[in-house]
Parts: sequence; structure tokens; C-alpha cells
Amino acid sequence: IAGITQAPTSQILAAGRRMTLRCTQDMRHNAMYWYRQDLGLGLRLIHYSNTAGTTGKGEVPDGYSVSRANTDDFPLTLASAVPSQTSVYFCASSDSTGTSGELFFGEGSRLTVL
Amino acid sequence: GQNIDQPTEMTATEGAIVQINCTYQTSGFNGLFWYQQHAGEAPTFLSYNVLDGLEEKGRFSSFLSRSKGYSYLLLKELQMKDSASYLCAVMDSNYQLIWGAGTKLIIKP
Repeated sequence: IAGITQAPTSQILAAGRRMTLRCTQDMRHNAMYWYRQDLGLGLRLIHYSNTAGTTGKGEVPDGYSVSRANTDDFPLTLASAVPSQTSVYFCASSDSTGTSGELFFGEGSRLTVL
Repeated sequence: GQNIDQPTEMTATEGAIVQINCTYQTSGFNGLFWYQQHAGEAPTFLSYNVLDGLEEKGRFSSFLSRSKGYSYLLLKELQMKDSASYLCAVMDSNYQLIWGAGTKLIIKP
């Protein structure tokens, strides 16, 4: 069982370029999340989806967009990358929302914007 | 605003016991989580507390006091592989997770 797969694992990107981080889960979880993790800060929620076809904004959504066309996939797009988007991005999923459902994380995508 | 506080870094000796504290101020409370994150890896779930008291799971235990806005993670019989960051997260009234910055635990032989 793969769990959650993220791609790419690492990417260097020029400012202004468009970038999509891919996330796929095979656990049939309803809820999916995108977080960024920066040194000295806690994980910050970018966008989330409670079920296929719906998405919501998290704490730091500006400059990012997501889609949830089906249960398994939850891509994160940076329309025009800026250096402040340099970070490690984690995709996560949960089989429940609003309860004690633990999060399962992908291995992360390290993005550097120059 | 919402806030989760935990020490930035702690050092302990192999075989010893260490307690990592977490204090929180959030809009509502629907549970507190602890996650472990090894360097360069993804966080993995350790524990969940929603009621006051101690939850024990092998060498790891987690305690919660809702009235004090306080939790701790207790690690016993420390092993070198326990060197990692430990993340405290609280689920607020909107069922959103608020994360602390994490405590880096260094284990020395």
C-alpha cells in the first residue's frame, strides 16, 4: 500500500513560472490537505478538501489553487511562483473530518523558487 | 489569536525519560494531537487526547489538562531513534488543526 504519493520530491523553479505539485492517495480518504512547513514555524494549512468536488481555503491560500476532481487526487498549483513560496510542501489525508481522524502525510515536496 | 507553544529544542540521554510540554490558546477545543517527524521525513501520528488525563502507548504517553490549556508528551527508555521533532497540534472549534512549531529532541549516548 503506497498511502500518499507526492511528486516531485524536489524542484528548483524560476520566479514567475507555473508549478503543479501532485498528490495521490490510495486509502479512499475523504479529506485531503496541503500544508507548507517553514523553519521555525508550525505547519500551515494552504487549502483543504473535505470530499471530492469541494475545496476550501486554509490559513495561507494566497498564490495557490487546488482542485479535487476525484477522491484520490489533490493537486496544488502555484500560478506564478515567488521566492516566498520556497518551502517544503506536505499533502495529507484523513478518513474523517471534524473528528479525531489522524492525518497521513506524503513524503513532502521541497520547492525552491529563485 | 490562536497559539501553540512548545520548546524549540531539548536534549536528553539515551535510556532516560523526557517530557515535552505544549501549551495552547485556541478558539475552542476538539482534541490535541502529537506527531513525530524525523529530519527530512513526513510527520507520523503518535497520540490523540480529547479528555483530561494520561494516555499510555508503549514507551510514549500523552497527558492533557483542558482547564490549563496544557499537554505533555512523555518518552521513556529513550533510544537514539527517538531523535526527531515532536509536533503538538490542537483541533479548534472549526475542526481545523493549529500546529506548534515543533520541539527538536536530541538524544545523546
